[in-house]
Amino acid sequence: QVQLVQSGSELKKPGASVKVSCKASGYTFTSHAMNWVRQAPGQGLEWMGWIDTNTGNPRYTRGFTGRFVFSLDTSVSTTYLQISSLRAEDTAVYYCVRLVGAPQSFDYWGQGTLVTVSS
Amino acid sequence: ETVMTQTPLSSPVTLGQAASISCRSSQSLVHSDGNTYLSWLQQRPGQPPRLLIYKISNRFSGVPDRFSGSGAGTDFTLKISRVEAEDVGVYYCMQTTQFPYTFGQGTKLEIK
Repeated sequence: QVQLVQSGSELKKPGASVKVSCKASGYTFTSHAMNWVRQAPGQGLEWMGWIDTNTGNPRYTRGFTGRFVFSLDTSVSTTYLQISSLRAEDTAVYYCVRLVGAPQSFDYWGQGTLVTVSS
Repeated sequence: ETVMTQTPLSSPVTLGQAASISCRSSQSLVHSDGNTYLSWLQQRPGQPPRLLIYKISNRFSGVPDRFSGSGAGTDFTLKISRVEAEDVGVYYCMQTTQFPYTFGQGTKLEIK
């Protein structure tokens, strides 16, 4: 069965960096793009962008450029989200989500990783 | 950017009764390939979101048939025919027709 397992919660100080991992299993990793979605405490869902798991090319949406980097290691079927120069407003749960090309929907979600930024 | 607007934002429902959530997009969600990529997600308390419906009206694997989706163009509806206790949570519509992908603000379903 398809599973996306993310790394555990992180507590970071402002200005630090964090790297969240998302390990996929149960399907061919390079067959589907991986997306990242942010959910601030008590708030809705926000699409951050995706990474093409075939080419490694990322695409970031507005508001998630510069400090946010998607990467992957196909040898271990894992996608990464790195956030640098952390700010308090980066405190959120971050989800990795598989995009299945047809029918172009977010069909499987990771369990989420809470990143807390606090001094 | 395509703005997704859901109504209502909160829906108190009696167990066993029907519930309906509307979602309107600021522009047509018909893709150039002829498909409409409108999905519905459910997020139970403390859980990640889960796909319920894709391409307007197709139930995802394992989703009970009391959930149904309908609509076209810019107006879409999620219906729950008989609400059960496990349906409590927040429901989101989302579109993957145009970049950037966008979500509705969410509708909280609660039991009266």
